[in-house]
Amino acid sequence: QKEVEQNSGPLSVPEGAIASLNCTYSDRGSQSFFWYRQYSGKSPELIMSIYSNGDKEDGRFTAQLNKASQYVSLLIRDSQPSDSATYLCAVNFMIKAAGNKLTFGGGTRVLVKP
Amino acid sequence: EPEVTQTPSHQVTQMGQEVILRCVPISNHLYFYWYRQILGQKVEFLVSFYNNEISEKSEIFDDQFSVERPDGSNFTLKIRSTKLEDSAMYFCASSEWGVATDTQYFGPGTRLTVL
Repeated sequence: QKEVEQNSGPLSVPEGAIASLNCTYSDRGSQSFFWYRQYSGKSPELIMSIYSNGDKEDGRFTAQLNKASQYVSLLIRDSQPSDSATYLCAVNFMIKAAGNKLTFGGGTRVLVKP
Repeated sequence: EPEVTQTPSHQVTQMGQEVILRCVPISNHLYFYWYRQILGQKVEFLVSFYNNEISEKSEIFDDQFSVERPDGSNFTLKIRSTKLEDSAMYFCASSEWGVATDTQYFGPGTRLTVL
């Protein structure tokens, strides 16, 4: 059974601080990794994707991937109250050419306090 | 910006009834998916669909579930005889290609309540 694990939180950070979220996954053959944001009662919204080891930056967000450690993280710089949401880590354990099944972690709830 | 749409936003049904959830994927996308999320739990994969065929399905997707692309724009999920445990948010997603690096875009979801 392929698993994706996240700390459920809540992760409480003051406004303007850095929020650091972690995710581990069970399968070394995993191809690609995604961070989605989900507000309560809403659908997942893509923040970032990462496929290669190292860092990838997009605005206030940085994703970090370490395939050897089977670990992916997300940093949110200059956290804003609007960043308060649940952050979902999703992994593509792709085994076929057709289709792109995502396995999600349980999510980390982030609370940014003004 | 193109987006995935879903109807209805909320469906209430009696146990044992059939429901059809509808989705309109992004127009140039070729791969379609259904996921569900029971309240307070993980988002779970149900099924992927390409070229009018199921390409992969999960253990959840048993004989009570079916998917169809009845025309060039809609993608539907049918639950034949709903159970209480089918109550969940159902998300449709689509992607342009089926490759590993492809992004899936999610619709707003349909909240299904089975009474």
